[in-house]
Amino acid sequence: GAGVSQSPRYKVAKRGQDVALRCDPISGHVSLFWYQQALGQGPEFLTYFQNEAQLDKSGLPSDRFFAERPEGSVSTLKIQRTQQEDSAVYLCASSQGQEQGGYTFGSGTRLTVV
Amino acid sequence: AQTVTQSQPEMSVQEAETVTLSCTYDTSESNYYLFWYKQPPSRQMILVIRQEAYKQQNATENRFSVNFQKAAKSFSLKISDSQLGDTAMYFCAFMKPLFGANSKLTFGKGITLSVRP
Repeated sequence: GAGVSQSPRYKVAKRGQDVALRCDPISGHVSLFWYQQALGQGPEFLTYFQNEAQLDKSGLPSDRFFAERPEGSVSTLKIQRTQQEDSAVYLCASSQGQEQGGYTFGSGTRLTVV
Repeated sequence: AQTVTQSQPEMSVQEAETVTLSCTYDTSESNYYLFWYKQPPSRQMILVIRQEAYKQQNATENRFSVNFQKAAKSFSLKISDSQLGDTAMYFCAFMKPLFGANSKLTFGKGITLSVRP
């Protein structure tokens, strides 16, 4: 596609519910990042994939968060047993090679846990 | 660990005027990259400008330029001839490059810029 596509754009979940957020990067992009952006804050790193390999998951806040990219293209961020503090915008970014920070971001999924 | 500080929560500027957004950072690295990203209401982060730490010359992209002071660990963004479309949140970000792989960005808290007609 022309850009990084994320779905759904908005998600409301009841506390305790599991959610899955999807990121469809630009075709051929090797690297994929997930960030969490709380209201009024800057994005914070969650995890990084190079193709299907998850090279860094140091930013995942708890074992309730899980990300996968099984075929090296589409990625899914799963949050189990959602809590109110999980409410945030989840941004995905991708790049073709070593872009040195010039990543293409999607428009994010706004998750609200009620 | 690196930190990025944006101490101004919001700023306002008249259309066609110039505005400067401030950013400071802390790192022990000698080689790194600094960025300014723009986030409009659509939420998509858009790269505005990038500076490599080993380059002394300040980066420029059309109406956007930076004042990079490595010793002071300061990285400000100047927007000239402000336009209504510049209204957005602006984030300063830091990246330590890795060999053979891409690297994560560390963002500041951001600043809300409003351009008045």
